[in-house]
Amino acid sequence: NAGVMQNPRHLVRRRGQEARLRCSPMKGHSHVYWYRQLPEEGLKFMVYLQKENIIDESGMPKERFSAEFPKEGPSILRIQQVVRGDSAAYFCASSPRAAQRELFFGEGSRLTVL
Amino acid sequence: AQTVTQSQPEMSVQEAETVTLSCTYDTSESDYYLFWYKQPPSRQMILVIRQEAYKQQNATENRFSVNFQKAAKSFSLKISDSQLGDAAMYFCAYRSSSNDYKLSFGAGTTVTVRA
Repeated sequence: NAGVMQNPRHLVRRRGQEARLRCSPMKGHSHVYWYRQLPEEGLKFMVYLQKENIIDESGMPKERFSAEFPKEGPSILRIQQVVRGDSAAYFCASSPRAAQRELFFGEGSRLTVL
Repeated sequence: AQTVTQSQPEMSVQEAETVTLSCTYDTSESDYYLFWYKQPPSRQMILVIRQEAYKQQNATENRFSVNFQKAAKSFSLKISDSQLGDAAMYFCAYRSSSNDYKLSFGAGTTVTVRA
C-alpha cells in the first residue's frame, strides 16, 4: 500500500516562473492537506481539500497560490510568479475520511527559487 | 491561534542514554490532541506518539514516552535507550478537536546521537 506520493521531490525555479507540486494521496483517502515548512521552522497549514472542493484555504497566501484536487488525478499546489521567499518544503498529507483525522504525510517537495 | 513552543533548538545524547525534549503550548480549549513527529534527513514526517488531552495516562510507544501536564500546558517527549536512528528533527504539534485538520507545529528540536 503506497503512501502519500509527492513529486517532484526537488524543484528549482527562477523568479517569475511557475511551480506546480503534485500530491497523490494514499489509496482510499479523499482528504488532502498542504503544509509549508520554511527553513528552520515547523510546518504551517495552507489548505484542506476534498475531491473537487476547497474546504479551508485560510493558510494560503492571498495571491499567486492556488490548489486543486480534481475528481481524477493528483492534488496540485500551484505557485505563480515565484519569489525567493517561496523557497520552502511543501508537504502534502491525506486522511481517509472526515471522521478520522490521522494525517499521513508525504516526503515533501523542496522548492528552490533562484 | 494556538502557539506551540519548543525551547530547545538542539539536543545531544549518548547512544543508549535518555533524552527529554520539552514542548509547551497555549490554548483556551479543554479538548485537543498533542503529537510528536520525527523528521529524519529524508524529511518524511513520521508520527512518533499521540496524546489525547482527556486522557490522564501518559502515552507510550516502545522507547518513546510523554509527560503530559495539562494544567501546565506541557508535553515533553522522552526517548529512552537512544539509538543512532533516533537522530532527527522532532516537532511537537497541537490539534484542536473542533478544528481537527489543522496541526500547529513548534519550531522543532534537532536531536543528535553520539556513538
